[in-house]
Amino acid sequence: RKEVEQDPGPFNVPEGATVAFNCTYSNSASQSFFWYRQDCRKEPKLLMSVYSSGNEDGRFTAQLNRASQYISLLIRDSKLSDSATYLCVVFSGGYNKLIFGAGTRLAVHP
Amino acid sequence: EAGVTQFPSHSVIEKGQTVTLRCDPISGHDNLYWYRRVMGKEIKFLLHFVKESKQDESGMPNNRFLAERTGGTYSTLKVQPAELEDSGVYFCASSTHRTDTQYFGPGTRLTVL
Repeated sequence: RKEVEQDPGPFNVPEGATVAFNCTYSNSASQSFFWYRQDCRKEPKLLMSVYSSGNEDGRFTAQLNRASQYISLLIRDSKLSDSATYLCVVFSGGYNKLIFGAGTRLAVHP
Repeated sequence: EAGVTQFPSHSVIEKGQTVTLRCDPISGHDNLYWYRRVMGKEIKFLLHFVKESKQDESGMPNNRFLAERTGGTYSTLKVQPAELEDSGVYFCASSTHRTDTQYFGPGTRLTVL
């Protein structure tokens, strides 16, 4: 079983749509959680950290459910520029490393 | 402030040859990480330096891979001899403290023929 699992997609949505991505992780001792965005042939870039209380950054909302070991990302009012691969990432403090999901591909069309 | 830089951006070599990848972290970042993404797979951790010391090299695939960070500044990752399965994108990341945000370089795309 993979340590971080994501639906690979692709999610094809029209501009203005709301889209949600989910992710599960297997290590209950994981300390920190993130969503990274990766454009084609580029490096991953931090989109936002994820907290149990939930956090919002503009059109993006992230949520963590530690009991279910589940992380979500909600994108409202999708823009063409949101097209990318979204990586669910867990920081394993005990091992000092980031553990990546395989990513969920999003394509926003006009 | 300059970000993480990596050199070269692309490398195409033949099986059995040697390749050395370089990473320059953000200035002042003591923590330096190497990750790799092979075709169709997720990005995976290779190793972690704190200054010049290897903290964790549990992700290194085998002894054909050698990483160094002399002087605690830039790091090199040498693959010798390269095999076909080493093809992929090698990312370097750095952070101030181990729990801080890791900033990624643009990656080196390695193709072994």
